[in-house]
Amino acid sequence: NAGVTQTPKFQVLKTGQSMTLQCAQDMNHEYMSWYRQDPGMGLRLIHYSVGAGITDQGEVPNGYNVSRSTTEDFPLRLLSAAPSQTSVYFCASSYSRSGGAGNEQFFGPGTRLTVL
Amino acid sequence: GENVEQHPSTLSVQEGDSAVIKCTYSDSASNYFPWYKQELGKGPQLIIDIRSNVGEKKDQRIAVTLNKTAKHFSLHITETQPEDSAVYFCAARRMNTGFQKLVFGTGTRLLVSP
Repeated sequence: NAGVTQTPKFQVLKTGQSMTLQCAQDMNHEYMSWYRQDPGMGLRLIHYSVGAGITDQGEVPNGYNVSRSTTEDFPLRLLSAAPSQTSVYFCASSYSRSGGAGNEQFFGPGTRLTVL
Repeated sequence: GENVEQHPSTLSVQEGDSAVIKCTYSDSASNYFPWYKQELGKGPQLIIDIRSNVGEKKDQRIAVTLNKTAKHFSLHITETQPEDSAVYFCAARRMNTGFQKLVFGTGTRLLVSP
């Protein structure tokens, strides 16, 4: 299993540009989520999905869109990039959204995004 | 909602020493407390977790303690090794809620010097 994969690893955008961060998992996990990590602020949830066709907003959803057309993929779209979106983005997946014995979140390696 | 504070933000120890990272939480109903380790260039990885029905849990050199009355929990690493150098995050949530309710601390950068 490749686990959770993210592409690209690094990206530089200009203000106003759009792009899609890719996330895929090969563990047949129902639950997938996107976090952003900023210095001194820990991880904050952007959007999440409990299954194909079902998505919902997290703590910081503004400026981002998601869709979940398949179980495996959960792309994150930046509609019009802003410098405030400079961050490291992590995708995560788990068997289900509820925690418990044997159900943990697996994180991808991250995408470092810089918006100029 | 839940708020998790984590201290210290950085911690430097000599190899073989112990390291302690502390977190406090605000929601008295939180009852699940995981700890994650993030190595350079990688995503966070769950290393240990504790539920509110126990006060301590150990896994080899790592232990977590929980004080429900004071609403704080701590990660203890004994006999530290250079490979323990990483950023550590604590988190908290209610077990009857999903991962979307997991609130993370701000992280502690641990540096273990040979």
